Amino acid sequence: GQQLNQSPQSMFIQEGEDVSMNCTSSSIFNTWLWYKQEPGEGPVLLIALYKAGELTSNGRLTAQFGITRKDSFLNISASIPSDVGIYFCAGHPVTSGSRLTFGEGTQLTVNP
Amino acid sequence: ETGVTQSPTHLIKTRGQQVTLRCSSQSGHNTVSWYQQALGQGPQFIFQYYREEENGRGNFPPRFSGLQFPNYSSELNVNALELDDSALYLCASSTGTVYQETQYFGPGTRLLVL
Repeated sequence: GQQLNQSPQSMFIQEGEDVSMNCTSSSIFNTWLWYKQEPGEGPVLLIALYKAGELTSNGRLTAQFGITRKDSFLNISASIPSDVGIYFCAGHPVTSGSRLTFGEGTQLTVNP
Repeated sequence: ETGVTQSPTHLIKTRGQQVTLRCSSQSGHNTVSWYQQALGQGPQFIFQYYREEENGRGNFPPRFSGLQFPNYSSELNVNALELDDSALYLCASSTGTVYQETQYFGPGTRLLVL
C-alpha cells in the first residue's frame, strides 16, 4: 500500500523554540493534511492543503504542500507546553479516492 | 469536540470472540470511515460507508465487516478476534466521499484482545 515517511519520529524541545517536521512519499497525493492527537482522543485536523505549492497558516502553525505533490512540511513557531502531542501527516493518494493514508507520527515534547 | 461519538470507550475480549463497535456521525454527515490504529503507529484505513453501502476497503480480511444505518451511524464488527486486533479503532465522519471532504474523528474505542 501507500507509504508516508514522517520525520522526525520524536522531538524534545524547550518552550519558545520553533519546530519543523515533514512527510514524504513515493506517490503523488491530491491533498496533504496535518492532524494532532492527544492521549485518549482521536486525531484533530490542524491544517488541510489542496494544491501543489500551497502554503497555509493556522495561528503559530504553517504547512506547505510540496511542488512535486509528494511531500509536505509543518512548522510550529514559538512552541508552548500545550503543543505536546503526536502530530500526523496524512493525505489522499491520487489512486485511493477518499481514503486517508497516515504517516507514523511525530511525538512532540515541550519542556517549560 | 467534533460531534462524532464512539462506544464503548474501552473493551477487553479474548481470542476467537466477536466484537461490535459503534459510531455516531456528526450531524449532517452521511459518510463514515473506520480506521485501526495500533500502538505507536498511524491510523490505517479499514473501510468507508456512504449512504448505507460500503464504498472502499483497505487491506483488512473479511472478518472485519461493517454496517451503516439510515441515520448514518455505523458499526464495525470483527469476528474471530486475534491478538493483533488489539488497537484503537477510530471512526471519522464527513459530508461526502470526495477527497476534499474533511473527515472528523471520534475519540476511538480501545480494544484489547487477550
